[in-house]
Amino acid sequence: DAGVIQSPRHEVTEMGQEVTLRCKPISGHDYLFWYRQTMMRGLELLIYFNNNVPIDDSGMPEDRFSAKMPNASFSTLKIQPSEPRDSAVYFCASSRPGQGFQPQHFGDGTRLSIL
Amino acid sequence: GENVEQHPSTLSVQEGDSAVIKCTYSDSASNYFPWYKQELGKRPQLIIDIRSNVGEKKDQRIAVTLNKTAKHFSLHITETQPEDSAVYFCAASLGGSNYKLTFGKGTLLTVNP
Repeated sequence: DAGVIQSPRHEVTEMGQEVTLRCKPISGHDYLFWYRQTMMRGLELLIYFNNNVPIDDSGMPEDRFSAKMPNASFSTLKIQPSEPRDSAVYFCASSRPGQGFQPQHFGDGTRLSIL
Repeated sequence: GENVEQHPSTLSVQEGDSAVIKCTYSDSASNYFPWYKQELGKRPQLIIDIRSNVGEKKDQRIAVTLNKTAKHFSLHITETQPEDSAVYFCAASLGGSNYKLTFGKGTLLTVNP
């Protein structure tokens, strides 16, 4: 059973460039979450989707960040333009439908470095 | 806003000893409390979770206790092994939204052989 798949695993790019992170959730999971992890701020929820619809984007830091989920098996997180302070590990997670809170399963993350 | 406090930030124990990590939360409507283990450079992995209608849950060497009145919950690892060394994160669901988690800052556990 494949887990959450993220690509790329590592991304190094220069300030001002557009960055696109990709995520494939576990099949059958209808919740998808994007997190950012840094030493200073820990693990922060950026946005989450239910059935491809964005439910809460209150954690998105600013307008430079956007996320989409065009179908049940694919989501993107885009940063345009990127800045050095965006450097972090970005995780995607998914959870299945069910009564009450369901466990979230994380992907391997994308380590992003903005020079 | 809602937050989760986690202590200690680092914990060093000898192999075979027990380890306890504690978290407090502020939102009285929180009802789901997972614990994640993250090894260096890896993804967070769920190791155990507990819901508000239960006071304790155990899975082999790992147990979690919840005190809803005091708004705190703890992770207990018994008979620790070197492979238990990792960063452990607690989290709590946010009231009014069943699908948002707030995470603690993490505890770096080192088990010395």
